[in-house]
Amino acid sequence: RKEVEQDPGPFNVPEGATVAFNCTYSNSASQSFFWYRQDCRKEPKLLMSVYSSGNEDGRFTAQLNRASQYISLLIRDSKLSDSATYLCVVDGGSNYKLTFGKGTLLTVNP
Amino acid sequence: DAMVIQNPRYQVTQFGKPVTLSCSQTLNHNVMYWYQQKSSQAPKLLFHYYDKDFNNEADTPDNFQSRRPNTSFCFLDIRSPGLGDAAMYLCATSRQGNQPQHFGDGTRLSIL
Repeated sequence: RKEVEQDPGPFNVPEGATVAFNCTYSNSASQSFFWYRQDCRKEPKLLMSVYSSGNEDGRFTAQLNRASQYISLLIRDSKLSDSATYLCVVDGGSNYKLTFGKGTLLTVNP
Repeated sequence: DAMVIQNPRYQVTQFGKPVTLSCSQTLNHNVMYWYQQKSSQAPKLLFHYYDKDFNNEADTPDNFQSRRPNTSFCFLDIRSPGLGDAAMYLCATSRQGNQPQHFGDGTRLSIL
């Protein structure tokens, strides 16, 4: 099992659609979870941290299921500006690094 | 204001000619990272520093070296770049290793 595995995508959705991304991780000792977005030829930027109880930031909702070692990101009422690659990121447990998933490309169409 | 600054944004070098990429931070973070990212791939961690402690990833080629002379600066040296080293190089910082990382704009390296 890969350390961090995401939906391969790409996702093409119309404006206003709801889209969900899924991610699984292999290290049961992982404690920190994040979603980053990366625009084409730009650096990754933190979108949101993922907390055990789930958390919401405007149109974005993140969920964590520790038992299944699964993270999700839900985007409601998608905008053209949401078009980007979404990276699932997980810490390595006891070591000082984060592992990035390969990313899922989202294109929101007018 | 940019908090993690990479220079240059674009670097062109010749096959085999050494090149140095730089990164500076104003966040006073303990940890600094260098990643290599190729098209449609996840960022690949090359190494990181926790303060002055250097940590090399097992699969990072010997061709890649790093220096962190002080808290604010970190350098990536590529001793003899090959065509396969053409990529985006990303510097990131975090306060602690399991906390969010803040990235610079990256340096896009081309090899002639």
